[in-house]
Parts: sequence; C-alpha cells; structure tokens
Amino acid sequence: DGGITQSPKYLFRKEGQNVTLSCEQNLNHDAMYWYRQDPGQGLRLIYYSQIVNDFQKGDIAEGYSVSREKKESFPLTVTSAQKNPTAFYLCASSGENQPQHFGDGTRLSIL
Amino acid sequence: AQSVTQPDIHITVSEGASLELRCNYSYGATPYLFWYVQSPGQGLQLLLKYFSGDTLVQGIKGFEAEFKRSQSSFNLRKPSVHWSDAAEYFCAVATRATGKSTFGDGTTLTVKP
Repeated sequence: DGGITQSPKYLFRKEGQNVTLSCEQNLNHDAMYWYRQDPGQGLRLIYYSQIVNDFQKGDIAEGYSVSREKKESFPLTVTSAQKNPTAFYLCASSGENQPQHFGDGTRLSIL
Repeated sequence: AQSVTQPDIHITVSEGASLELRCNYSYGATPYLFWYVQSPGQGLQLLLKYFSGDTLVQGIKGFEAEFKRSQSSFNLRKPSVHWSDAAEYFCAVATRATGKSTFGDGTTLTVKP
C-alpha cells in the first residue's frame, strides 16, 4: 500500500544536538511538507518542497533545515538553534491539485 | 494571505445527536477546502474535500460539508454521532497555485454516552 512513513515515532534531543526526522513517501507525489503541531495551536508549516532539489520556508522555518535530494524523501533537521523543539512533527505529501496525505508523526522531546 | 478560523475549540455532543463544526476561511479566490480528523498521537486523515462543483460534498464516515461562498464558510456536519467520532477536527484551505495549505487551530469533539 502507498503511504508516508515517518521515523522514528519518538525522538529525544540533548542540549546542543542536531536531530534528523525521516519522511519517506511511495505515492509518487511531487510536493512534500513539514508541519509542527503544539497543543491548541493546530499545524504550522515549517518547510515545503514542490519539486526535487527545491524547497521553500514556511511560517516557522527558523532553527530547522531540510533537503530534497530524492522525490521520495524529505528529511527535517532540528538544529540546536531551535530553542523550543518539543512538539509533534508531521510530514505530508500531495499530488497536483490533490489533498495532502499525512504520516503518523514524530514526537520530539528534550532530555 | 489565506487564513482559517474554527470558532469552537471544544464541542461536546451526546451519542446519536447531530453535529456541526464550523469553519470560516479567508482567501481571495475560489479555494480548495478540506476537513481532516486526527486521533491522539496519529497523523491527519482526510474526511472530505471541495474543489469545485456541487457545494454539498460527501465524505467518509458519514460526514458531509457545505461550501457557502457568501459566508466564506465550510461547515462539517454529521446527522448522528458515534462514540468513535471523538477526535480533533481540522479545517484547511489550500491555494490552487501551490497546493500549500493553511490549517485552523482545530476543534476537539467529545462524545457523551
């Protein structure tokens, strides 16, 4: 079955450490997205990519970085510059003029 | 810039009662509109979508929504709620050009037995 796989499901970060969240899709979608979800705040867009080797900042990109070297993969790195990284991170993908499909999320916590 | 407002943070209904969740959007042209549902610790699942055509759209799990351009609304309805419908519901608007979506802050639905 086609879908989006996010890993790991739970991740812990130490102070000053960068961590990378994985997102893989086998839906052959061109567009991919990263969202951050905090309680009571809905989803906020971090980065998105509409095509391989190209991506744009969303509303809250500071302290995060991404790459899009392959159509199937859109990893998100939470850098040490992100001072409040504890959140639920959701990856999504979409085809042209289609709704977004979501992964099951990664919950990041600070040790 | 596009935006979405879900006026109700939390709604409680009795099982078997009808449900309406409100969604208002701001967008300069005809939008793409969506409703998603999220169970705790899970990703979002698409309930239904509006792209064009018939303003009353049917979705999965017995949900429907009506697009009202004059009111900039896209309210979600269900005639009889089941206990398994308890979850968080998100309305979203997307641009036709980029597909980039903006989400509301969500409405948490509690179902009383």
